[in-house]
Amino acid sequence: GQNIDQPTEMTATEGAIVQINCTYQTSGFNGLFWYQQHAGEAPTFLSYNVLDGLEEKGRFSSFLSRSKGYSYLLLKELQMKDSASYLCAVRGRPSGGYNKLIFGAGTRLAVHP
Amino acid sequence: EAGVAQSPRYKIIEKRQSVAFWCNPISGHATLYWYQQILGQGPKLLIQFQNNGVVDDSQLPKDRFSAERLKGVDSTLKIQPAKLEDSAVYLCASSPTVNTGELFFGEGSRLTVL
Repeated sequence: GQNIDQPTEMTATEGAIVQINCTYQTSGFNGLFWYQQHAGEAPTFLSYNVLDGLEEKGRFSSFLSRSKGYSYLLLKELQMKDSASYLCAVRGRPSGGYNKLIFGAGTRLAVHP
Repeated sequence: EAGVAQSPRYKIIEKRQSVAFWCNPISGHATLYWYQQILGQGPKLLIQFQNNGVVDDSQLPKDRFSAERLKGVDSTLKIQPAKLEDSAVYLCASSPTVNTGELFFGEGSRLTVL
């Protein structure tokens, strides 16, 4: 099957940097996604990693180590609007057949002034 | 480009009643997903379609939930009879194929079962 672990909650200060970790187990790994979800809204895509290393996109970066089953999302220059849940999701084939995208429980980030 | 459309946005029903949710994916997207998101949790995959065929429904409670995607475009998710624990947001998402691309989500349908 698939298993995804990420911290439940984190707090940070406006202007600071925060790292949200995600560990996973899956069969037939085919990519790791990070989504942002504001309260009461649908998830929106942030980043995608399929190879090891760091992907940078503006204030957000995502890192993947496939051998360790580990990823992190790095948010720089935090803004109040970054207060949201951050969902780690893994695409894989846990029981063969088609790929499917499974989400972790999400990390609720609160940014304070 | 039009996004994923869902309706209704909100629905309140009593337990043992039935409800249906509708989803229209992004044009040309072959893969369609229904996720259930209970408050404070991550989305849980209920069913995944590739065109009009089901490719995964392993976590769909088939005694009460059903879904179809006739003609490989629109999809309907039905719950009958509803239970209190079905209170959740039902998210529909689509992607170009099952192997590539991000998922695009609709705004969701929030169900409250009393």
